[in-house]
Amino acid sequence: EVQLVESGGGLVKPGGSLRLSCAASGFTFSNGWMNWVRQAPGKGLEWVGRIKSKADGETIDYAAPVKGRFTISRDDSKHMVYLQMNSLKIEDTAVYYCGVGAELDYWGQGTLVIVSS
Amino acid sequence: VLLTQSPLSLPVTLGQPASISCRSSQGLVYGDGDTYLNWFQQRPGQSPRRLIYKVSNRDSGVPDRFSGSGSGTDFTLKISRVEAEDVGVYYCMQNTRIQNPRWPPYTFGQGTKLEIK
Repeated sequence: EVQLVESGGGLVKPGGSLRLSCAASGFTFSNGWMNWVRQAPGKGLEWVGRIKSKADGETIDYAAPVKGRFTISRDDSKHMVYLQMNSLKIEDTAVYYCGVGAELDYWGQGTLVIVSS
Repeated sequence: VLLTQSPLSLPVTLGQPASISCRSSQGLVYGDGDTYLNWFQQRPGQSPRRLIYKVSNRDSGVPDRFSGSGSGTDFTLKISRVEAEDVGVYYCMQNTRIQNPRWPPYTFGQGTKLEIK
């Protein structure tokens, strides 16, 4: 059974930093394309970024609103993917989901990030 | 690339059919001939779950009352007989599968909220 468990969310001041983690199990992690998707309170889904597998070049893509501020990385030995978020803005407040697969086959339960002074 | 869903709110009587439209601002057929249009369900308080991938393929465990169809720029998710557990928000998502820094690989529709009348 595929499991994705996000952690690391919390309250942070504007301009601050936070690192989210996603622990994966139940599939061959090294082959998986790992995504981050967020959902602001009461709003729809917004893709944040993706890191491809090593075999596919470990290419990383970001959505325009987070490019230059967020960094995605992965550790295949630990079956983990990370989202380093710097220079956080109030509009980054959201539940952040980790998802696996080129077509977002499976999702975690999400972790809440609140950016507020 | 924009995805426009309609309606945004869908009150349905139990046991009746429901239909959600998703229209893309441009065609989604990729070079391999496939169309990467997926549907997700988000029940209240839960993370999203994929129901349909590549227009019409049901994911494992998805009841057969759910079906997807469409081509080109117009796609539809249908529920043949709505049940109480179908309450939630439904999103279409397209994967452009094109490596282009000018637009994100994934775009979501705004979401359609299905409720029981």
